Order: sequence, then structure tokens, then C-alpha cells
Amino acid sequence: TQLLEQSPQFLSIQEGENLTVYCNSSSVFSSLQWYRQEPGEGPVLLVTVVTGGEVKKLKRLTFQFGDARKDSSLHITAAQTGDTGLYLCAGPMNYGGSQGNLIFGKGTKLSVKP
Amino acid sequence: GAGVSQSPRYKVAKRGQDVALRCDPISGHVSLFWYQQALGQGPEFLTYFQNEAQLDKSGLPSDRFFAERPEGSVSTLKIQRTQQEDSAVYLCASSVYPGPKNIQYFGAGTRLSVL
Repeated sequence: TQLLEQSPQFLSIQEGENLTVYCNSSSVFSSLQWYRQEPGEGPVLLVTVVTGGEVKKLKRLTFQFGDARKDSSLHITAAQTGDTGLYLCAGPMNYGGSQGNLIFGKGTKLSVKP
Repeated sequence: GAGVSQSPRYKVAKRGQDVALRCDPISGHVSLFWYQQALGQGPEFLTYFQNEAQLDKSGLPSDRFFAERPEGSVSTLKIQRTQQEDSAVYLCASSVYPGPKNIQYFGAGTRLSVL
């Protein structure tokens, strides 16, 4: 059974601090995606990582895909209050993956205080 | 429309009632997905449509759940005889084509509360 485990589950930090959240699995994924979800909204895709060892940057956000394609991390530099939200990692299911069905982790709820 | 639209945004149902949740995907998108997101959890896959064909319903939790997309655009998720454990946010997503390389665009969801 494919599972994506995210840690920490909750994170509360001050504006300006750095943070890293993790997404781990015992299964190999062909790709992993990171989404951000705000209250009352659907998830919005931030990035897709495809190649083992890949690093992608999106302004203050840095995403890394593990060499073995079983894990990923999201690092935020100098967090801002606007970064507050639920961060979800997701990957294509082995069954139905050709359709695009996604399996999600439980998410990391980030709160950035001014 | 510009994005995926879901209605109603909120639905309160008494246990045992039937409910219908609507999803208007982005025009022209072939693929449509339904996910269920319980409180404090990530979304879980329910069912998948490619145009009007329901190709995968492996995630539907019971035979009380039924989905359709008769003309390959709007989709409806119906839950019969609702139970308290059905309380969740139901998310719809669409993508241009099938496959994990195609971005899924999510609607804001319908929050269902079963009393």
C-alpha cells in the first residue's frame, strides 16, 4: 500500500524564520507534487518534482526530491505571514496512476505569526 | 468559467437524507476526479471520469456513493442515506488530459455536514 507520511503535522513559527517540512514513503514514486491549501479553498499546485535528486526553487521555497524517489522536502526561507496554510505532498497512485489519480499525505499545517 | 466550480459550497443534511454535489470542471478538460477530505486529513481519491466514462470508482467507500458525468462535462456526486461518517469536504478536480503529467485544478469543495 502506498503511503505518504508528512512531518511535522503542525508548525507554528515567527515571521522571518526558516522551516523545512518532509514527505516520506517506503514506495518509489515516478513524481511528487507539493500543494498549498488555504481554509475554504482547494489545493493549489506549487511544484512537481520528477527526477531523483532534483531541486526546484520557487522564490523563497526550495523543493527537493530524494535520490531514490521515495521522499521529498520543502524548505521555506524567511517565512512570511502569507505562507500560512496547509502544505500537502502528493504522488500518482501505482494503480490508476496512468489516469492521474493522486495519493496525498495528511499535510503540514503551517502558521506564520507576525 | 475560469476555474473548477463546485456547488453548493456548504451542505447540511440530516442522517438518512440523500445529497447531490455538483462539479463544473474547466471547459474542455477530459479528466475529472472526485476526492474526499476529512477534517485534518489529506484528500483521498474517490472516482475518476475520462469524458463521460467512469473508468475508476475504486475509492468510493460504499454503494451509497454514486457519481455520473453524462455529457462529459458537469459531474454530480450523489450520496444516498447519508451517515455521520460521510461528513467531509468533497473536492472535484479536472485536468486537460489523463495522466500524472497533467496538472489537476481543484475546486473549492463542498463541505458536507451530516447531523
